[in-house]
Parts: sequence; C-alpha cells; structure tokens
Amino acid sequence: EDQVTQSPEALRLQEGESSSLNCSYTVSGLRGLFWYRQDPGKGPEFLFTLYSAGEEKEKERLKATLTKKESFLHITAPKPEDSATYLCAAAGQGGSEKLVFGKGTKLTVNP
Amino acid sequence: DAGVIQSPRHEVTEMGQEVTLRCKPISGHNSLFWYRQTMMRGLELLIYFNNNVPIDDSGMPEDRFSAKMPNASFSTLKIQPSEPRDSAVYFCASSRDRAGFGSPLHFGNGTRLTVT
Repeated sequence: EDQVTQSPEALRLQEGESSSLNCSYTVSGLRGLFWYRQDPGKGPEFLFTLYSAGEEKEKERLKATLTKKESFLHITAPKPEDSATYLCAAAGQGGSEKLVFGKGTKLTVNP
Repeated sequence: DAGVIQSPRHEVTEMGQEVTLRCKPISGHNSLFWYRQTMMRGLELLIYFNNNVPIDDSGMPEDRFSAKMPNASFSTLKIQPSEPRDSAVYFCASSRDRAGFGSPLHFGNGTRLTVT
C-alpha cells in the first residue's frame, strides 16, 4: 500500500532560522511527488512537483529536493508569512491513480 | 481564472438530514476529485472523475455517500442520511490530466460540514 509520512508534525522557528521538513514515501513507481501549502480555512495550494531522484525546485525561500525514498522542503531565512501547514503527496504507478497525502507539518515562524 | 469554486462554505445540519455539496472545477480541467480532511486521518480521497466518468470511488465510506458529475463544469457530493462522524472539511479539486500522470491538483477552499 502506498504511504506518505511527514515529520515533524509541528515546527516552530524564529524569523530567519532556516530548517527542513521531511517527507518519506513508499509508492510503486513514483510518477510525481508534490508539495502543497495550506493556510487555515483554505484549500491546499500547489507549490512544486518533483519527478525523479536528484531533482530540485525553488520558489522564493523554499527549495524542494527528492531522493529515492524521501523529499525535503528546505526553508531558508523564513518569515512569519511562511507560517502554514505544508503537505506532501505522492502519485505512483501501482494500478491506482490516487494521490496519497501525508498528514502535514504545521510550521510556525515567530517574528 | 476563478479557481475551483465550492459551495456552501459552511454547512450545519442535524443527523439524518440530506447534505449536498457543490463544486465547479477549473475550466479545461479533465479530472475532478472529492477529498475529506480531518485532524485524525488527514486528506482522504473519496472519489475521482475523469472526463465526467467516475474512475475510482473506493474511498467513498459507504452507501450513504454518492457523487455525480453531470457535465464538465459541475459536480455534487451527497450524503444521505448524514451522521455526526461525517463532520469534516470536504474539498473538491481539479487537474488538467489524469491523477497518475503527475499533474498537480488545484483545490477549492472547502466546505466545513458539521452534523449534530
């Protein structure tokens, strides 16, 4: 069964304190690894898609990387407006077209 | 682009009542998804349509849940009769291609359902 596990569940940072969020996945034949940001009361907002190990993508203070078993979301010099829940999801080739989501990491950046 | 539009944003109902949630996907997107989000279980896929045809409904909890997509611009998720354990946030999402081909999903802002 495809699985996605995110850690930590919650993370508190001071403004400017860089860190990384982890997403471990077990899927048959990865088609895509997705990162989303979710603000309270809103739907998840798409950030990145990664397709193969070694791939990296950047957007402002965020950089996503992918290995054969994990993905990391690196946050450089975060600001309070980066506070949100970050969700990871994986799509595999194992006969199902479901996108399996992790439970997310709730990030709080204090000024 | 207006994005995925869901209605209502909030729904409070009593146990046993029928609930209908509505969704308008992004124009030109071929796939539509209904997800349910709770603190305990996170985001769970309920049903997935491609070109208005249900492809995978294995996540629909039981016969009380049904979903339709009569055309490319509208879908409904119905719960009849509703139960307190159905309380959750229900999201609709759409994507340009079939789910397994790496196209990102674009989500609406959800319907918060409370069943008392």
